[in-house]
Amino acid sequence: KAGVTQTPRYLIKTRGQQVTLSCSPISGHRSVSWYQQTPGQGLQFLFEYFSETQRNKGNFPGRFSGRQFSNSRSEMNVSTLELGDSALYLCASSSEFSTTDTQYFGPGTRLTVL
Amino acid sequence: DQQVKQNSPSLSVQEGRISILNCDYTNSMFDYFLWYKKYPAEGPTFLISISSIKDKNEDGRFTVFLNKSAKHLSLHIVPSQPGDSAVYFCAAQVGYGGATNKLIFGTGTLLAVQP
Repeated sequence: KAGVTQTPRYLIKTRGQQVTLSCSPISGHRSVSWYQQTPGQGLQFLFEYFSETQRNKGNFPGRFSGRQFSNSRSEMNVSTLELGDSALYLCASSSEFSTTDTQYFGPGTRLTVL
Repeated sequence: DQQVKQNSPSLSVQEGRISILNCDYTNSMFDYFLWYKKYPAEGPTFLISISSIKDKNEDGRFTVFLNKSAKHLSLHIVPSQPGDSAVYFCAAQVGYGGATNKLIFGTGTLLAVQP
C-alpha cells in the first residue's frame, strides 16, 4: 500500500500571502489529521477530518483552515501568512477499523515564510 | 500549557545498552499513549502504544511502561542499535476506538546510539 503523500514538499512564501497544502491518505483511510511542527512548540494538532467533516480542532487562529474531499484527500489553507507560520506541516491518516488507532504520517511540507 | 512533557531533550547511549526515554503528562483524562520515532526529513513513524488499562506493553526490543498514579510513561529500548538514533516523541490522546485522533505530543528526545 502506498503511504501518506503530501504536496508540495517545500514551499517559500512571503508575509501576507496565502498557501494551500495537500494530503492524500493511505487508501481506505477516512481520517486525516494535520499537525504543525516548530522547533519551539514541537508537534501541535491543527485539526482532524473524518468523512468530509471536521471532527476535532486544535488551538490555532482562524487563518488556519482545512477541508476534506469525498475521496478522503485533504487540504489545509493558511491565509495572511506570518513569519511564525514557518514550520513543517504534517498530515496523518488512520483507519476507523484499527484497534490501535495508529496514525500514519506523511513526510510533511516545509513552509518558509519570508 | 504543555500537557505532555519530555524533559530530556537529548540522550546518548552505547550500542547494546539500554535506552530509557521518559515522558510525563498532566491531563488525567488521557487514556491512550503512543511513542513515535522521527528521522530528519521524514514524518513520525509509529513505534508502540499502551492503553491506560495496562501498565506494560512489549514489542520486540521496545517496551513501554505506564505509571498512571505518577502520570509517567517510559520507553525502553534493549539492546540499543545505531539505527535507533532519531528523535522520539511521546504522544497521548483522550478517547480510544476510532472516536478521535487528536494526539498531544511532547517536544521530543533526540537519542544518539554510539557504536
